[in-house]
Amino acid sequence: NAGVMQNPRHLVRRRGQEARLRCSPMKGHSHVYWYRQLPEEGLKFMVYLQKENIIDESGMPKERFSAEFPKEGPSILRIQQVVRGDSAAYFCASSKDNSGANVLTFGAGSRLTVL
Amino acid sequence: TQLLEQSPQFLSIQEGENLTVYCNSSSVFSSLQWYRQEPGEGPVLLVTVVTGGEVKKLKRLTFQFGDARKDSSLHITAAQPGDTGLYLCAGARYNQGGKLIFGQGTELSVKP
Repeated sequence: NAGVMQNPRHLVRRRGQEARLRCSPMKGHSHVYWYRQLPEEGLKFMVYLQKENIIDESGMPKERFSAEFPKEGPSILRIQQVVRGDSAAYFCASSKDNSGANVLTFGAGSRLTVL
Repeated sequence: TQLLEQSPQFLSIQEGENLTVYCNSSSVFSSLQWYRQEPGEGPVLLVTVVTGGEVKKLKRLTFQFGDARKDSSLHITAAQPGDTGLYLCAGARYNQGGKLIFGQGTELSVKP
């Protein structure tokens, strides 16, 4: 019963390149959340998705960032034309539902370094 | 604006000492969760508190949710080096269960 799987664990990109981060939720979980942890800052919510739908993207930067959770396959967080300020740890979490006492299971994260 | 203020940010103590970490907000939360994060890993859930005034114990860790559901505390008794890590509190708003608001974290170091 694997947990939340994220890959790659580490990604290095040069300014202007694209970064694609993948997340496979826990078995039986249909809700996926992406969080970003910047150096010296806490975790910040980015986006909440269910299969084929973006439910809440209020934490996503307006430009260059997009997310999807297709019917088949993992959720993808895509960052176009990366800049140094995008360097951070990106965490995916999944849950069975979105209730108030919801239990989120986090992945180990993908650490993006922009040179 | 930080909606959840966590204190202290850093704590270095000797093995055997007690400590308390605080998480405060002016907002009401439907639930509050405490996580522990090791370097290079994701946060791991320790406990969820839901009811105002609720107290939960996990071995030497005691978690409390404030009566007004705006604040919480984590108390560790007789800390051990294995307790070293980053402790995070996170609040969930009503009908926004998975959209957590995290505190800045408390970096705990327990020296033998």
